[in-house]
Amino acid sequence: QSVLTQPPSVSGAPGQRVTISCSGHSSNIGALYDVHWYQQVPGAAPKLLIFDNTKRPSGVPDRFSGSKSGTSASLAITGLQAEDEADYYCSAHDSLLKGYVFGTGTRVTVL
Amino acid sequence: QVQLVQSGAEVKKSGSSVKVSCKTSGGTFNRYTFNWVRQAPGQGLEWMGGIIPVFGPPFYAHDFQGRLTITADESASAAYMELSNLRSDDTAVYYCATVDGYNREDPLRAWGQGTLVTVSS
Repeated sequence: QSVLTQPPSVSGAPGQRVTISCSGHSSNIGALYDVHWYQQVPGAAPKLLIFDNTKRPSGVPDRFSGSKSGTSASLAITGLQAEDEADYYCSAHDSLLKGYVFGTGTRVTVL
Repeated sequence: QVQLVQSGAEVKKSGSSVKVSCKTSGGTFNRYTFNWVRQAPGQGLEWMGGIIPVFGPPFYAHDFQGRLTITADESASAAYMELSNLRSDDTAVYYCATVDGYNREDPLRAWGQGTLVTVSS
């Protein structure tokens, strides 16, 4: 079961900026564990999008950015494009579960 | 970058077991931590457990203790996930995913294509 809370959905017109919040607890994000973000296109496996709170793997456009503060983190997508329609999940290590916890997931829709 | 190829879809009866394999290519097997993550239909991601082949003992999420067995075989360059006493709510796509190195907090950089396991009564 997920212990990181995300909004179920966000939407925006092409070119706009959207943000996705990820709320955690003192045992995960608040315990200074890094937050990672994954993008999942329907029918495909998740793909690493942001790691260590703010870093982008090679090949990920700089339209995607991450931030973290306290027990929360955020993913921002600027210059929204049709290909950004997907589900997005935040994740972090949890000291109580001794493993990864994932967010509830956010569906991004491009209007 | 390592590539992960998983075994094919399975249909199982309630109470039985399933074993899913995850073969690696393009990387050095013992340089990774293998994790298993599942996703029920229309639901989010759930971490199940993992193994660091070079160190040995697997580690499991509490919810799967007693039903889950994760193993690794360096000679086959593969990791395995076996879930026993299957229930209908175990119907899900099961993914293997790797961390580069041995830090269990690091990101899951490579993912297999997923294996659909359907449990019927």
